[in-house]
Formats: sequence, structure tokens, C-alpha cells
Amino acid sequence: KAGVTQTPRYLIKTRGQQVTLSCSPISGHRSVSWYQQTPGQGLQFLFEYFSETQRNKGNFPGRFSGRQFSNSRSEMNVSTLELGDSALYLCASSLEGRNTEAFFGQGTRLTVV
Amino acid sequence: AQSVTQLDSQVPVFEEAPVELRCNYSSSVSVYLFWYVQYPNQGLQLLLKYLSGSTLVESINGFEAEFNKSQTSFHLRKPSVHISDTAEYFCAVTPSGNTPLVFGKGTRLSVIA
Repeated sequence: KAGVTQTPRYLIKTRGQQVTLSCSPISGHRSVSWYQQTPGQGLQFLFEYFSETQRNKGNFPGRFSGRQFSNSRSEMNVSTLELGDSALYLCASSLEGRNTEAFFGQGTRLTVV
Repeated sequence: AQSVTQLDSQVPVFEEAPVELRCNYSSSVSVYLFWYVQYPNQGLQLLLKYLSGSTLVESINGFEAEFNKSQTSFHLRKPSVHISDTAEYFCAVTPSGNTPLVFGKGTRLSVIA
């Protein structure tokens, strides 16, 4: 069974641009959560989608948004990039949205210059 | 709001020596507790978790953690570490299966030959 796949693995963007990251969950999993990992703030929850609906949202500005498709694949978008958005973005999937059974992808390393 | 404190940001230890990575969480209500490991340029891998039952939980690679409700702690231990255990370790908590994981800032374990 394939694991959680995140694409791309690495990304370099310029301030002011926007970016879209993709996460394909484990087959059959209906929940996808996104986390931002930085050296200063650690791992912080962005949002969770379950069956195409946003179920939980973290404390991030509106520049951060996401969506989930009918096949459970999820994308997150960051608009008007700032230097502070440089981070490792991780997604996690679970079968029924239970975080006790979450599996993480390898992440997308975003660098904003 | 839940919070997780990992008391040591870095722990150097010699190969074959024992190690304890400390984790305390903020709430005394029922919680689920996790330890994740992150190798360089990788995502998070679940090491072990406490959901209920026995307060001592074990992983397949020799780590164990003990849930202590009165001290709100979930410390991770290994009696004899290997070079391959060098990684960053994250403690996480969630009050229920459907709420996001809250992570500690991580402990970087460096095993010295």
C-alpha cells in the first residue's frame, strides 16, 4: 500500500508569489491534515479536511487555504508569500479522521526568497 | 488549550548508553499521547502511542514510554541507543481522536560513537 505522497518535495518561490502544494493520502483515507514545521515555531496545525469539508482550522492568516477533492487528494495554497512562510509543510492522512491513526508524508520544503 | 513541553532541545548520548527524552503536557483531562521520530529530510514516523490501558507502551525498535497521569508526563526511554537512533523526536497530544495533534518543539537526539 502506498504511503502519503506529497509533491513537490522542494520548492523555491519569490516573495509575493503564490504556491500550491499537493498531498495524496493513503488509499481509502478520507481525512487530510496539514502542518507547518519551522525551527522557531515547531509543528503547527494548519487545517484538516474530511470528506471534502474543512473540519478544523488552525490559527493562520487567510493567505493559507486548502481544499480536498472527491478522491481525497488535498491541496494547500499560500498566496502573497512572505519570507516567514519558508518551512516544511507536512500532511497527514487517516482513515476516518481519527488522529490516533494518522500517517505523515515526507513533506514539501518551501523556501521563499 | 493543550500544550506540550519537551524539556530538552538537544540530548547527546554515547552509543549503547541509556537515554530518556522528557515530555510533559498541560491538561489533566483524558488525552491520547504520541511519540514521533523524524530523520533528516523526512516526514514524521509514529514511534509509539498511548490511547488507553497499560501505562507502559513499547515500540518495535526498543523504545518505551510511560504515561504518568498524576505528573502529566509521557517520557520516552531506551536502555541502549544505536547510532541509527540519531534523529529528532516529537511528543504530541490530542484530547480526542478528532482534534488536531499538538506537538512539542522536539528533542534532537545525537548518538555518539
